[in-house]
Amino acid sequence: AQKVTQAQTEISVVEKEDVTLDCVYETRDTTYYLFWYKQPPSGELVFLIRRNSFDEQNEISGRYSWNFQKSTSSFNFTITASQVVDSAVYFCALSEGYNNAGNMLTFGGGTRLMVKP
Amino acid sequence: DGGITQSPKYLFRKEGQNVTLSCEQNLNHDAMYWYRQDPGQGLRLIYYSQIVNDFQKGDIAEGYSVSREKKESFPLTVTSAQKNPTAFYLCASSIDAPRTSGAWEQFFGPGTRLTVL
Repeated sequence: AQKVTQAQTEISVVEKEDVTLDCVYETRDTTYYLFWYKQPPSGELVFLIRRNSFDEQNEISGRYSWNFQKSTSSFNFTITASQVVDSAVYFCALSEGYNNAGNMLTFGGGTRLMVKP
Repeated sequence: DGGITQSPKYLFRKEGQNVTLSCEQNLNHDAMYWYRQDPGQGLRLIYYSQIVNDFQKGDIAEGYSVSREKKESFPLTVTSAQKNPTAFYLCASSIDAPRTSGAWEQFFGPGTRLTVL
């Protein structure tokens, strides 16, 4: 069965610091997809990235970057030069299989990031 | 604008009452989902539907019911059988994975916060 672990329940940083949110996953499938979502205080989950298991290239989008390492089953998320607006709960999620009936996602427990001015 | 709407934003229920949470999407997505989120917790799947007139139980379906009479709409009823319904409820939709290759991100609505008085 699949599982996603976000060991850091809360992280607090000062603005402009870099911060990395960890995500470790478990799956028996060779084909799978990983996602990150942001949940600001308003509550709506905002999609950030989708990555398939065959693409281990790191991705950078502005101040956000993602490091995917199959060898350690990790898909970590780094925010560079954090800002107060980055304060939110961040979720990592996993979807197994090439033909995943229902497109099901398994979510980690989330990491609450607090960026102080 | 394309998106997902949920109503109401806040809902108060007396014990023993059934209440229905609305979820509508205009993204032309086949698949829709209901999640429950408790304070400080991740998301747990209640029900999902891949196509009109069909739906499947998720991990915590007891005490809930759904219908999918139209592609755009996936209402959730919280019945009096649900022992502890106070929570934040999120609706999501996505492209249906079996019709395509891979797994796709889910798009989320703004949520409904249900409180039992």
